[in-house]
Amino acid sequence: EADIYQTPRYLVIGTGKKITLECSQTMGHDKMYWYQQDPGMELHLIHYSYGVNSTEKGDLSSESTVSRIRTEHFPLTLESARPSHTSQYLCASSEGADTQYFGPGTRLTVL
Amino acid sequence: AQSVSQHNHHVILSEAASLELGCNYSYGGTVNLFWYVQYPGQHLQLLLKYFSGDPLVKGIKGFEAEFIKSKFSFNLRKPSVQWSDTAEYFCAVNSSNSGYALNFGKGTSLLVTP
Repeated sequence: EADIYQTPRYLVIGTGKKITLECSQTMGHDKMYWYQQDPGMELHLIHYSYGVNSTEKGDLSSESTVSRIRTEHFPLTLESARPSHTSQYLCASSEGADTQYFGPGTRLTVL
Repeated sequence: AQSVSQHNHHVILSEAASLELGCNYSYGGTVNLFWYVQYPGQHLQLLLKYFSGDPLVKGIKGFEAEFIKSKFSFNLRKPSVQWSDTAEYFCAVNSSNSGYALNFGKGTSLLVTP
C-alpha cells in the first residue's frame, strides 16, 4: 500500500478565492506529479517535480503554481479559482521512471 | 509528443467472459507502458507495466498485457472476468522526454454483470 495523502478530499469554494491543495508522500520518492481529471476523461498533467527545488509545467499549468521545498510535500496553488477549475486533482509520486503511486484525489467545485 | 488511444470507452461483459481492451500509443522512441485501474471509490492503482524484456507481462488479479512494438500497442487481457473487475481502466505511457510523467488514454469503463 502506497503512502500518499491529499487534503482536502472535497472542497467547495467561491470564484476568486485562493486555494492550496496539499499532497504528501512518505516513501521518499524523488518525483512528484499533479494531474487533473474530469469525469470520463483522461488525466492531464499539470505540474511535476524531479526533486527538491525542481518544478516543471505540464499541459494545463498556466493557472496554477507548485512548490517543492521538501521531498515529501508538493502543494498546488490556484491564485484565483474559477468555475472552469472544477475538477478532480490527483497527486502522484514515483522513484525515477518507475510506477507512479496516486493519492485519493481532491474533488474541487468552484461556484 | 506522445498520445495514447484507447479504443473502447464503455464495455459491458457478463461474468466469465473474456476481456480485451485495446491501447495504442504514438511515439517513436523508447517508452514505458502501464495499465492502471480505478475501482469505484478507490485510488488509481497499477495493474501491470512493461519496461523491457518479455513483451507479455502479467499483472495483478489475472490480468496480462502484450506489448507489440510494430503495432505500437499494449492491449490488456483477462480470460475470465469477475464482477469485482468492474472499474475504470487507463492505459498510460511515459518516457524520459516528458520527465517520466504519464500520458494517459481516456480510459475504458468496464461493467461486469453477474
